Amino acid sequence: DTAVSQTPKYLVTQMGNDKSIKCEQNLGHDTMYWYKQDSKKFLKIMFSYNNKELIINETVPNRFSPKSPDKAHLNLHINSLELGDSAVYFCASSPRTGNSPLHFGNGTRLTVT
Amino acid sequence: QKEVEQNSGPLSVPEGAIASLNCTYSDRGSQSFFWYRQYSGKSPELIMFIYSNGDKEDGRFTAQLNKASQYVSLLIRDSQPSDSATYLCAVKGPSLNNNDMRFGAGTRLTVKP
Repeated sequence: DTAVSQTPKYLVTQMGNDKSIKCEQNLGHDTMYWYKQDSKKFLKIMFSYNNKELIINETVPNRFSPKSPDKAHLNLHINSLELGDSAVYFCASSPRTGNSPLHFGNGTRLTVT
Repeated sequence: QKEVEQNSGPLSVPEGAIASLNCTYSDRGSQSFFWYRQYSGKSPELIMFIYSNGDKEDGRFTAQLNKASQYVSLLIRDSQPSDSATYLCAVKGPSLNNNDMRFGAGTRLTVKP
């Protein structure tokens, strides 16, 4: 199936831990994104990579570090997790063409206790 | 001023009625406009996109764009209970970076049988 897939689907961890979320797309898209959706359902952009190059880096704590080993993968590593990091994290991809929509993964629900 | 603004709702309409969802955006350089539907616990899915002023129809859905007023709307005709979801307005731009997609906070729609 062609899709954006992210793992894990659920992640429960304690404050202070370090965790990673992986994302892969087989759509042949050049651009990948990480969005955070909080409890109020607001979807906020965090990072965007275009062909492994960071092009959008919103005001996100340094504890969040994206890594793109190739244009089909964009992983998100989070250090020293805090309670406020609890949210659903969505990976997305789109073709390089400016007007193209985003295709979303199924999300990773992160719960920090 | 928020970049993309929507009424959070909830908006409640009876089955068979027209649901009207509105969105305004702040950046005049925005080039493309999208409506996503998000069911509870699921990822956003694209339902409509529009790039030019005027109306665009797709089945029961009509998107309307007025760039002079910086206004986008989505009409859902013959609303069905299965249309009950949160509808997210998204805008791509600003004009300097067409890879940047910003979302509104979403409008929760309930269609009552």
